[in-house]
Amino acid sequence: QMQLQESGPGLVKPSETLALTCSVSGASINNSSSYWAWIRQSPGKGLEWIGSVYYLGSTFSKPSLKNRITMSLDTSENRFSLKLSSVTAADTAIYYCARRLSLPFLRHFDHWGQGILVTVTS
Amino acid sequence: EIVLTQSPGTLSLSPGERAALSCRASQIVSSSYFAWFQQKPGQAPRLVLYGASTRAAGIPDRFSGSGSGTDFTLNISSLEPEDFAVYYCQQYAVSPWTFGQGTKVEIK
Repeated sequence: QMQLQESGPGLVKPSETLALTCSVSGASINNSSSYWAWIRQSPGKGLEWIGSVYYLGSTFSKPSLKNRITMSLDTSENRFSLKLSSVTAADTAIYYCARRLSLPFLRHFDHWGQGILVTVTS
Repeated sequence: EIVLTQSPGTLSLSPGERAALSCRASQIVSSSYFAWFQQKPGQAPRLVLYGASTRAAGIPDRFSGSGSGTDFTLNISSLEPEDFAVYYCQQYAVSPWTFGQGTKVEIK
C-alpha cells in the first residue's frame, strides 16, 4: 500500500523559500509509470496543481509559478522535494504531495499525502 | 487554462436520497482524463472516479459518473452518512491540470 508523507516547516517568512519533502513508502519513485506531484489548497484559490517531477528528473509546473519552483528527486531516500522561492501571504496553503500515474489512458492522481499546512508570516 | 465550474455550490439532501453534481469545463476535455474527488474535513482529497466513469479502488457502486465534451456529472444513487463531504472535479487532459471549486453535499 503506497503512502506519501509531507514534511517541512509550517512557518515561512515573506520573501524566503518554502521547502517541503515528500517521503514515499510502498512504491519506488524510480519508475516510469509515475509522476510525483505537488498540489496546494487555500481558501482563496481552492485546489491548485503546482508541478510534477518525473523519475528521469524532468519537471513540469504551472506557468504562473514556474519561475519560483524547483522540484527534485532523491531516489536513494525514495523521496521528492519542492522549493518555492520569494513566498508571500498568497502562498499560505495546505500543500499535498501526490502520485500521478503515467500509463496509457491512466494519468490520474491516485495517491495523496495527508497534507502539511504552510503559513507565510513574518 | 481550463476552468471547471461546479454546480450547485451546496447540495442539502437526506440520507437515502440521490445526489447529482455537475461540472462544466470552459473548453472540451477528453473524458479519459477527467476525475472526481471526495474531501472530508481535515483530510486529503480521495479519488472517487477517473476516466469520467471508472470507480477508484474501494469506491462503492452507488457512485457513478458520466459526461463528455464540456459537461460531466457525478451521481450518488443513495446517500450514505459517510458520503456527506465536498466533491471536486478535475481535468488532467490539458496542462495545467485544474480543479473545480467544489460542491458541498450536506445533510438536510
